[in-house]
Amino acid sequence: AAGVIQSPRHLIKEKRETATLKCYPIPRHDTVYWYQQGPGQDPQFLISFYEKMQSDKGSIPDRFSAQQFSDYHSELNMSSLELGDSALYFCASSLLEDTQYFGPGTRLTVL
Amino acid sequence: SQQGEEDPQALSIQEGENATMNCSYKTSINNLQWYRQNSGRGLVHLILIRSNEREKHSGRLRVTLDTSKKSSSLLITASRAADTASYFCATDGSGGSNYKLTFGKGTLLTVNP
Repeated sequence: AAGVIQSPRHLIKEKRETATLKCYPIPRHDTVYWYQQGPGQDPQFLISFYEKMQSDKGSIPDRFSAQQFSDYHSELNMSSLELGDSALYFCASSLLEDTQYFGPGTRLTVL
Repeated sequence: SQQGEEDPQALSIQEGENATMNCSYKTSINNLQWYRQNSGRGLVHLILIRSNEREKHSGRLRVTLDTSKKSSSLLITASRAADTASYFCATDGSGGSNYKLTFGKGTLLTVNP
């Protein structure tokens, strides 16, 4: 069965640079979520989209933005990167309130 | 505020033993889900239990939900070394479109061969 695809899997950036993370949800899923997991931490919700519209927002810094495109893939844009942004970034997709299936994550390292 | 709290934080058992992990939460929920994560890897969905359900089984997994106590437990029977991982419970909000997941701190399970 198709799973959630995330790219890139690993990303290394310098401070103050920008990064773009991509997520391709499971086909026919209508909701995409982004989560951030710091080292040794539990995942924290950032933002979600339902049918290409932002549906909920969590503790996402103003330096971050995200959108969902017409083909349902989503991108998380991160600017003015800080050392503290180093984390695993997960995308998950679901059919609205049903099970959320997670992608393998993008490991972002900010130097 | 932290929604899910897991107990214990770490659990070490021998292969073949059962492992029980507990999760508590603070607000009303639609669903409670359990996920597994191998070190630094992705989150694998294990089981979802809805707020109107009390118990659910899936293979060697048994999940209970007590909404009056706002708690859930995950039982893994006949554990295997391959079960070694972190286990997280995650809850979503009740009603409306609040389906974002709030995760607990997780239980690190080590199954010794």
